Amino acid sequence: AQSVTQPDIHITVSEGASLELRCNYSYGATPYLFWYVQSPGQGLQLLLKYFSGDTLVQGIKGFEAEFKRSQSSFNLRKPSVHWSDAAEYFCAVGAPNTGNQFYFGTGTSLTVIP
Amino acid sequence: DAGITQSPRYKITETGRQVTLMCHQTWSHSYMFWYRQDLGHGLRLIYYSAAADITDKGEVPDGYVVSRSKTENFPLTLESATRSQTSVYFCASSELGTGLAIYFGEGSWLTVV
Repeated sequence: AQSVTQPDIHITVSEGASLELRCNYSYGATPYLFWYVQSPGQGLQLLLKYFSGDTLVQGIKGFEAEFKRSQSSFNLRKPSVHWSDAAEYFCAVGAPNTGNQFYFGTGTSLTVIP
Repeated sequence: DAGITQSPRYKITETGRQVTLMCHQTWSHSYMFWYRQDLGHGLRLIYYSAAADITDKGEVPDGYVVSRSKTENFPLTLESATRSQTSVYFCASSELGTGLAIYFGEGSWLTVV
C-alpha cells in the first residue's frame, strides 16, 4: 500500500541556518513526489515536484529536494532559512496508476527563531 | 487565473443541519478532490472525482455526499452535520499526465455546534 511518512512532527531552526525535512514513501512503482507548504489559514502551495530525470529538483522560495530511490526518500532542503519560511510542510506521493490518488504525510511544522 | 475557489470560507452550523461546501475550478482539470484537515490526522481524502458524473469514495466518506454534474464544480454536502465534522475542508484538482500535481483551494473552515 502507498504511504508517506514524515518522521519529524515539529522542527525549530534559527534564521539563517540550513534546513532539512525528511520524507519517506512506500510505493510500488515509480513515484511522483511532491512537497507542499501551508501557511496558517491558507491552502497548500506546491513547492516542487519530481517525476523523472535529475534526482535533485529545484523549487520555489529557494527550496530543493533530492530523490533517493535506494532509501525511498525525498527530503526537502534549504541552505538558509528565513523567518517567512515558518509554516507546515507536507510531502506527498502521486499515484497515477491507481486512479490518480495522492497520499500525504502528516506534515512537519517549522518554527524559525530569530 | 482564478484557479480553485471555495465557498463559503467560514461557516458555523448546528448539529443536524445540511451544509454544502462549493468548489469551482477554472483549469478544466479532470480530477477533483475533497480533503479534510484535522490536527494529528493531516489531510484525509473524503471523495474524489475522475470526471463529470464519476465519483468515488476516499478514506473518510461517511456522512458526506458529492456530485459532479459539470467538470468545473464539485460540491460537498454534509447531509446531517455532526460535531465530529468540524474541520477545515480543502477542495483540490489535478490532471493526469507528465507534470501532474494537485492544486488546492484556500479551504473552508466549518464549525458544527
